[in-house]
Amino acid sequence: RKEVEQDPGPFNVPEGATVAFNCTYSNSASQSFFWYRQDCRKEPKLLMSVYSSGNEDGRFTAQLNRASQYISLLIRDSKLSDSATYLCVVNGGTGGFKTIFGAGTRLFVKA
Amino acid sequence: NAGVTQTPKFRVLKTGQSMTLLCAQDMNHEYMYWYRQDPGMGLRLIHYSVGEGTTAKGEVPDGYNVSRLKKQNFLLGLESAAPSQTSVYFCASSLRVYEQYFGPGTRLTVT
Repeated sequence: RKEVEQDPGPFNVPEGATVAFNCTYSNSASQSFFWYRQDCRKEPKLLMSVYSSGNEDGRFTAQLNRASQYISLLIRDSKLSDSATYLCVVNGGTGGFKTIFGAGTRLFVKA
Repeated sequence: NAGVTQTPKFRVLKTGQSMTLLCAQDMNHEYMYWYRQDPGMGLRLIHYSVGEGTTAKGEVPDGYNVSRLKKQNFLLGLESAAPSQTSVYFCASSLRVYEQYFGPGTRLTVT
């Protein structure tokens, strides 16, 4: 089992739709969580952190469920410019430095 | 500020050749990282550094060496390139372990 797993998609949604992605992690000792966005043939960029209490930034909401070991990203009112790959990142745990990137979920927003 | 820069952007090597990838950051970050990204897989950590003069192995260090002689630079070396090292290489830096800032990437093909 991979340490961090994401549905690769692609998710194809119309403009204005609400879409949600989940990311599961296997290490219960993981300490911090993030969502990154990666455009085609570009570098990943930090989208938002994921806090235990949840985190909202405009149309984006991130949630953490420690009991079930997953994080989620909700995008409301999707825009064409939201088309990208979304990477979840899990930090921490035992065994030294641990930063694990998920393989990403591809999102296509269509007009 | 340029942020994180990488040189070269593209490179084609023949099996057995050597090369060095250069990463530079102007944000005075302590932490620097080298990742590789392959299709269908998440970013995988090759080596990282927690400060000038220090380096450590990540998840996939075999076949690579690194040096951090200056705080702003992190070099990744391939002594004898193999086709399995064909990948996109990303450098990143961060003030703390979290919130990594990535360079634009180097696309390396080994034939």
